[in-house]
Amino acid sequence: DIQMTQSPSTLSASVGDRVTITCRASQSVSSWLAWYQQKPGKAPKLLIYKASSLESGVPSRFSGSGSGTEFTLTISSLQPDDFATYYCQQYNSLWTFGQGTKVEIK
Amino acid sequence: EVQLVESGGGLVQPGGSLRLSCAASGFTVSSNYMSWVRQAPGRGLEWVSVIYSGGSTYYADSVKGRFTISRDNSKNTLYLQMNSLRAVDTAVYYCARGEKREPYFDYWGQGTLVTVSS
Repeated sequence: DIQMTQSPSTLSASVGDRVTITCRASQSVSSWLAWYQQKPGKAPKLLIYKASSLESGVPSRFSGSGSGTEFTLTISSLQPDDFATYYCQQYNSLWTFGQGTKVEIK
Repeated sequence: EVQLVESGGGLVQPGGSLRLSCAASGFTVSSNYMSWVRQAPGRGLEWVSVIYSGGSTYYADSVKGRFTISRDNSKNTLYLQMNSLRAVDTAVYYCARGEKREPYFDYWGQGTLVTVSS
């Protein structure tokens, strides 16, 4: 089974900050990686697929990069609506999620 | 507009059974692969099961042999039959639609809570 590890688990930041979340896979997943945003009590929302493709309707301040085993999600200028938990997901072999990164207000 | 609406959650005793439903609209469940994903209270997301458009099914090791995924094309509804439930199965269960060209999840339901407790 492919394991996904995110870092950090929690991130404290201010509005306007540039934020980067890292996701590492236990083996190569090529570019078959997605990022989701989840707010309390809500379903996850797709942000990025195929490592770097922005889902329709998602603000351009979100971007993804990487391939193989190392990936990053970057928020170029953090907005109040972006305080949430973010999950990476590999879909190279069935599906596995990272443990999540909570972005909280500093 | 694509919509997924789960139902069927509730309180069940350990060892009991429950069937979850996910009613779809705006697309045909048989033309996409459909998955169940769960989230235990305060925890992360865990993929549970998938049914492909051709009917093949797969399960996470944690539920294999206890859970069964199925669909009713006439009702455009996805199901998850859960048997031999354990306390660790307590979670919000989401149904999710797989995008046709790549297997990420592009639409999710709002979730239904399953609580396994005596």
